[in-house]
Amino acid sequence: QSAPTQPASVSGSPGQSITISCTGTSSDVGRSDHVFWYQHHPGKTPKLIIFDVNNRPSGISNRFSGSKSGNTASLTISGLQAEDEADYYCTSYTSWNTYVFGTGTKVTVL
Amino acid sequence: QVQLVQSGAEVKKPGASVRISCKASGYTFTSYYVHWVRQAPGQGLQWMAIIDPTGVVTKFAEKFGGRVSMTSDTSTGTVYMELSTLTSDDTAVYYCARETPHTFFFDSWGQGTLVTVSS
Repeated sequence: QSAPTQPASVSGSPGQSITISCTGTSSDVGRSDHVFWYQHHPGKTPKLIIFDVNNRPSGISNRFSGSKSGNTASLTISGLQAEDEADYYCTSYTSWNTYVFGTGTKVTVL
Repeated sequence: QVQLVQSGAEVKKPGASVRISCKASGYTFTSYYVHWVRQAPGQGLQWMAIIDPTGVVTKFAEKFGGRVSMTSDTSTGTVYMELSTLTSDDTAVYYCARETPHTFFFDSWGQGTLVTVSS
C-alpha cells in the first residue's frame, strides 16, 4: 500500500493562506470521511489539528480548515503565522482496516 | 492526566530484535486502542500497528511482514512492541499513541523512543 502523496514543501508569507493537498486512492483517502491532519514540530509529538475531513479539535485555531474531493484531501492554513512552521501529515483509515500517513509536507513561513 | 511513557533509547545490531514499552496512566487502559508509529531520520511518519489492550484486536502494516509483535499487560497498563530482524532501515523514533475506539485518530502520544541499528 502506498502512502498518500503530499507536496514535499509549501511556503508562504505571514498573513497569507496556503493549501496542502493529500492525494490517495479510493481505498484510503477517498474511502470515507476518516481523514485527519497532524501538525508535527521537530522534537515534539504530533498534534491533531483536523479530524473527519473538516472538524477541528477543541483548542485548535479556526485558521486551520480541511476539505476533501474524491481521493484528495486538503488542509488550508489561513493567516499564516510563524508558529505554523512545521511538518504536516494527512492520515486515513483504509479498506484493509489499517491506517496510513501521507508523505508529509514541510511548511515554511517566509 | 493522560500519559503514555515509553522506555528509553536502544542501540541494536543488525539482525537483533528490540522491545519497546509504553506505559499508560490517567485513563482506563482497556478502553482505548494503542498504536505504534515511527519516524526514520529525515523521513515522514509511518503507521506500524494497532493493539486493543485486551488483546482481542491487532493489526499490522503489511510493510513489516510479520516482524512486529505486540503484547499487553493489563495489570500494569503497559503495551509492548517488539520488532525483529532489525536492519539499518529500522533506525527511527518509535511512538506509541492512543485512539478512542472507532474514532480513527490519535489523541495522545508517548514521548518517543529512539532505536538505532548499527553494527
